[in-house]
Amino acid sequence: DAKTTQPNSMESNEEEPVHLPCNHSTISGTDYIHWYRQLPSQGPEYVIHGLTSNVNNRMASLAIAEDRKSSTLILHRATLRDAAVYYCILRDVEYGNKLVFGAGTILRVKS
Amino acid sequence: GAGVSQSPRYKVAKRGQDVALRCDPISGHVSLFWYQQALGQGPEFLTYFQNEAQLDKSGLPSDRFFAERPEGSVSTLKIQRTQQEDSAVYLCASSLRVRVDEQYFGPGTRLTVT
Repeated sequence: DAKTTQPNSMESNEEEPVHLPCNHSTISGTDYIHWYRQLPSQGPEYVIHGLTSNVNNRMASLAIAEDRKSSTLILHRATLRDAAVYYCILRDVEYGNKLVFGAGTILRVKS
Repeated sequence: GAGVSQSPRYKVAKRGQDVALRCDPISGHVSLFWYQQALGQGPEFLTYFQNEAQLDKSGLPSDRFFAERPEGSVSTLKIQRTQQEDSAVYLCASSLRVRVDEQYFGPGTRLTVT
């Protein structure tokens, strides 16, 4: 599986948007970009995924660069409950069963 | 509806003991995964089942680790002769189909080997 690079940590103020970056310069044409998050003392939770086009769901938006070598997870209004570790993961559409987690980004939200 | 459940939530074992960790996936989910998460790190893949077939066990760290899913639903991860380095949170996840479907995770079992 291709590797991703994320900042170790980020901080945000409550009610403000948060942009979490992810670099994946070796992404292949069949890799989907997935985001999961893990709240303290819980299992990871699916957030969003995409292939080429930007995606929106009730939790977040995913902006994918035109060359697909980077992406950004956007939380439109951060709340204290969004404080978690956010993982950016590449999954091959043909062979991608397991998730390969990196260290992720620790998001801290200040009230 | 009910999510993925795991039991026990916490397990303390003396070094050398055998342990069995249970996972109840979401009903009807074909795929089931086990992950191991050491403190402060991301989860690491252990093994994968499609129904009752174990299709990938490349992440199992040693032959002391064994997983089964005999009827294609409940799964058990067994660790024989536990060692201190086995201390971790063991996460189970299931997904409806295969490949890029989202995975639903249970709360994990925290194993402490003393």
